[in-house]
Amino acid sequence: GAGVSQSPRYKVAKRGQDVALRCDPISGHVSLFWYQQALGQGPEFLTYFQNEAQLDKSGLPSDRFFAERPEGSVSTLKIQRTQQEDSAVYLCASSFTGTTAGETQYFGPGTRLLVL
Amino acid sequence: KQEVTQIPAALSVPEGENLVLNCSFTDSAIYNLQWFRQDPGKGLTSLLLIQSSQREQTSGRLNASLDKSSGRSTLYIAASQPGDSATYLCAVLMDSNYQLIWGAGTKLIIKP
Repeated sequence: GAGVSQSPRYKVAKRGQDVALRCDPISGHVSLFWYQQALGQGPEFLTYFQNEAQLDKSGLPSDRFFAERPEGSVSTLKIQRTQQEDSAVYLCASSFTGTTAGETQYFGPGTRLLVL
Repeated sequence: KQEVTQIPAALSVPEGENLVLNCSFTDSAIYNLQWFRQDPGKGLTSLLLIQSSQREQTSGRLNASLDKSSGRSTLYIAASQPGDSATYLCAVLMDSNYQLIWGAGTKLIIKP
């Protein structure tokens, strides 16, 4: 595809509801990253995949957060039993290999999640 | 732990002015530093990337400098235009790592 796409663009959830956020990386990109961006803050790293392998999930804030990339392309970030503090923009990025330090990451438009 | 700070948090200037955005970081052991632009609803776009061995990078009206030893970077925008209005974020990549560490951004408004 032309770029990284994310869906839905906006999601309103009631507290306690489960949500699933989708990321379609650039075709052929090996590495995929998820970030969380709170209002007025910079993004914070959540997790990193290389193909289907989740190599780093150190940034996931709690065990309610789960990410997968089963076929090494599309990724889903799932948040269980959403809380108000989960309200943020969730950004996805991909890079060609991810094994070269400093390789450019291409970002999607983000999913804005609001938990009421 | 690396911390990235951007000052000011917001800036409003008339069209045509030259301006400087600041970014500072606490740990000088960085691999590179990037400046990004974030437009509402449109994600992040990389503007300039400076490797740790470099002092500056230029692209059009944008010039970014890096002083690694003092933990500072500046983004200079010449002859600002209303279309430059956006939030500008800097991010550092630590040695041998893929995690970007971000500042909170500077929200820039260019008044026509």
